[in-house]
Amino acid sequence: AQKITQTQPGMFVQEKEAVTLDCTYDTSDQSYGLFWYKQPSSGEMIFLIYQGSYDEQNATEGRYSLNFQKARKSANLVISASQLGDSAMYFCAMREGRGSTLGRLYFGRGTQLTVWP
Amino acid sequence: DAGITQSPRYKITETGRQVTLMCHQTWSHSYMFWYRQDLGHGLRLIYYSAAADITDKGEVPDGYVVSRSKTENFPLTLESATRSQTSVYFCASSERAANHYEQYFGPGTRLTVT
Repeated sequence: AQKITQTQPGMFVQEKEAVTLDCTYDTSDQSYGLFWYKQPSSGEMIFLIYQGSYDEQNATEGRYSLNFQKARKSANLVISASQLGDSAMYFCAMREGRGSTLGRLYFGRGTQLTVWP
Repeated sequence: DAGITQSPRYKITETGRQVTLMCHQTWSHSYMFWYRQDLGHGLRLIYYSAAADITDKGEVPDGYVVSRSKTENFPLTLESATRSQTSVYFCASSERAANHYEQYFGPGTRLTVT
């Protein structure tokens, strides 16, 4: 079974509008972490935001926020006031708390976001 | 330069040849990882390492070998390259395995096997 599911292969948003990228996860651990990475066309992986399973508040980093709904096992990324430079592939990832996994990340298949003027 | 570097950035090789992808990090992070990225699959873990001389398999280890004699280096070797190993390879490192420690990624190596 997929640990991370991103159901939107592609999303389109107009500049200055907000957009939500969906992510659901599957784990039986109580302790885990959720990450979002951005991959522009140049190929590098850029860390955006982190949410811990015990964090009571949703994480925010500038224009990025994470809508964390633990009971639904969802960790959606919200980008406010989209910019043309936000056009990229976005990956949701999870790290489980069990020591035997040595901190590896499980990635979803990604969502390609296109921002149009 | 500080950070995590990969070499070569681009490589074309023939089926059956041995290829080694290099990864070097300057932070003395304990944990290092190799992922491959293929269209429709996201990133999949090949091998990982918790420290020098400690390595273990990830999801897709077949056809790959790793070593870690020094903390800062984590080379990935394709012993006999196949076309199915055409991919983009990312090396990553993390200071700790705990949840909130970010993984830092190298710039990637684009490998084509002909």
